[in-house]
Amino acid sequence: QQPVQSPQAVILREGEDAVINCSSSKALYSVHWYRQKHGEAPVFLMILLKGGEQKGHEKISASFNEKKQQSSLYLTASQLSYSGTYFCGTGGRDFFGSSNTGKLIFGQGTTLQVKP
Amino acid sequence: DVKVTQSSRYLVKRTGEKVFLECVQDMDHENMFWYRQDPGLGLRLIYFSYDVKMKEKGDIPEGYSVSREKKERFSLILESASTNQTSMYLCASSLSFDRAPYEQYFGPGTRLTVT
Repeated sequence: QQPVQSPQAVILREGEDAVINCSSSKALYSVHWYRQKHGEAPVFLMILLKGGEQKGHEKISASFNEKKQQSSLYLTASQLSYSGTYFCGTGGRDFFGSSNTGKLIFGQGTTLQVKP
Repeated sequence: DVKVTQSSRYLVKRTGEKVFLECVQDMDHENMFWYRQDPGLGLRLIYFSYDVKMKEKGDIPEGYSVSREKKERFSLILESASTNQTSMYLCASSLSFDRAPYEQYFGPGTRLTVT
């Protein structure tokens, strides 16, 4: 079952902050975040593992709430280069009976547009 | 840098044709994946492979098959193309299921149109 991302779309001005949420109905063991710019392939941003710490990448960070089965991506002081579609991919314990972070189920995506 | 290449960026086929989409990765990754991407539906997994000749169904395998005869190459086959298979197809690879890094590297995609 696909995780649900919210919001579906967001428009920002440069320098503003944004939060993208990813919620799953199944227990999560890992969450990946990817960004896809228009006409390009998705690119990996970060991974959060169950029991792991909040990860960060420059002004982009993420959290993982295992109890709520949610992850949130935080974009601080957004830049024009942040524009694109953001996908979360969730991994569960469903392959070889072990904690598997390789096979992912992706959300429907959140389109972020940053304007000057 | 990991490179994942796909045989075509754009492809137009007729209903009923057999279609082959090819994907090659150059980093000796164990895992390879085929997704289709449709507006509002995100990335949906069709099939994946964790070793040569090994394959597992993803979430939407109906109407597709795959082949992995060599580690670096993963093919997606549409046995009899239909108009509802018009989509963007993305191939990806990752090192392994049980050791980091876990991220998937994506190819540029093939935009398939079935008329």
